[in-house]
Amino acid sequence: SQKIEQNSEALNIQEGKTATLTCNYTNYSPAYLQWYRQDPGRGPVFLLLIRENEKEKRKERLKVTFDTTLKQSLFHITASQPADSATYLCALDMIYNQGGKLIFGQGTELSVKP
Amino acid sequence: DVKVTQSSRYLVKRTGEKVFLECVQDMDHENMFWYRQDPGLGLRLIYFSYDVKMKEKGDIPEGYSVSREKKERFSLILESASTNQTSMYLCASSSGTGFEQYFGPGTRLTVT
Repeated sequence: SQKIEQNSEALNIQEGKTATLTCNYTNYSPAYLQWYRQDPGRGPVFLLLIRENEKEKRKERLKVTFDTTLKQSLFHITASQPADSATYLCALDMIYNQGGKLIFGQGTELSVKP
Repeated sequence: DVKVTQSSRYLVKRTGEKVFLECVQDMDHENMFWYRQDPGLGLRLIYFSYDVKMKEKGDIPEGYSVSREKKERFSLILESASTNQTSMYLCASSSGTGFEQYFGPGTRLTVT
């Protein structure tokens, strides 16, 4: 069956450390993979997109890797800050008919303590 | 600043009522989406549209319908609301696959 899984447990880390979030999937062949941030009571906000032929993508303190053989993406936040506390969602970007759609994971809640 | 707006932030309806949730985007995007989000179940796609008057079922279309008469507007309709449709409803738009989705603020719907 098709599945997309993120760290099921909330992640608690100390300010200044690197947070690493995992996204694994089975029986999908996404063209792209996207990461979003969601704060309580608000809609998700796009962070990064990585293509299937890219191994790594960076944006400021964020880094995403994408391994299509392992069917896994890792999302890193370096020098984490309390303001990074949120739920992070990975999404498989699937080409579908004349458009595309995203399949979301359930999200990982990150808490960064000062 | 790009924007997706939803008609209500909070809505309370009674079982059996017809409910309209409206979404408007100002980015001239082709694709629009309706999701619901529930604790432990994540974001699930209800319906999406890649062009005016076109619609595609998502993963959980039962009990819902949609309408897209204009490019900027995508409506979600609950024909006869039920308590199991109590949820957070999120609308999004995008240029297509390979592009990010922009989300609205969400509508928290309670059906009593």
